[in-house]
Amino acid sequence: DGGITQSPKYLFRKEGQNVTLSCEQNLNHDAMYWYRQDPGQGLRLIYYSQIVNDFQKGDIAEGYSVSREKKESFPLTVTSAQKNPTAFYLCASSRTGGAGGYTFGSGTRLTVV
Amino acid sequence: SQQGEEDPQALSIQEGENATMNCSYKTSINNLQWYRQNSGRGLVHLILIRSNEREKHSGRLRVTLDTSKKSSSLLITASRAADTASYFCALFGNEKLTFGTGTRLTIIP
Repeated sequence: DGGITQSPKYLFRKEGQNVTLSCEQNLNHDAMYWYRQDPGQGLRLIYYSQIVNDFQKGDIAEGYSVSREKKESFPLTVTSAQKNPTAFYLCASSRTGGAGGYTFGSGTRLTVV
Repeated sequence: SQQGEEDPQALSIQEGENATMNCSYKTSINNLQWYRQNSGRGLVHLILIRSNEREKHSGRLRVTLDTSKKSSSLLITASRAADTASYFCALFGNEKLTFGTGTRLTIIP
């Protein structure tokens, strides 16, 4: 079955470390997205990519980096520059343009210890 | 950036009753979408309504859109315990989907 796989489900990071969250999709979607969700709040867009080898900053890109070397993969790196990285991270994908609705992964919960 | 605002923030109803949640926004949109999120999980796409549509149905879901008032509503009829979740409206424009803060719906058995 097609879908989006995020890994790991839970991730613990020490302060000052970079960590990379994985997102893989086999839906043949062109576009992929990363969102951050804080407790009791909505989703905020970090980065998005409409096509391989191209990506754009979202509303809260500072302290994060991404790459899009393959259509199926859109990893997110949370760098040490991100001041408050503890959050729930959601990856999504969509057909070209994204107007038809997004498919979401099950999320990665990142905790800084 | 544009963001929808859901109302109410939380809603508790008895099983079998109807649940209505609203979304207001300020900018022009291409379409408006509703998603459901169970606790600690990803979001699930429920229904999409385009800016030139006024009402859509999908099973027990009914969505309305009033572009003159910049508002939408999601009605869930004959609620079930499994409908307990957070519901988000999302505005599509400029190639991006922007989410509101959600309505937390609790169905009491």
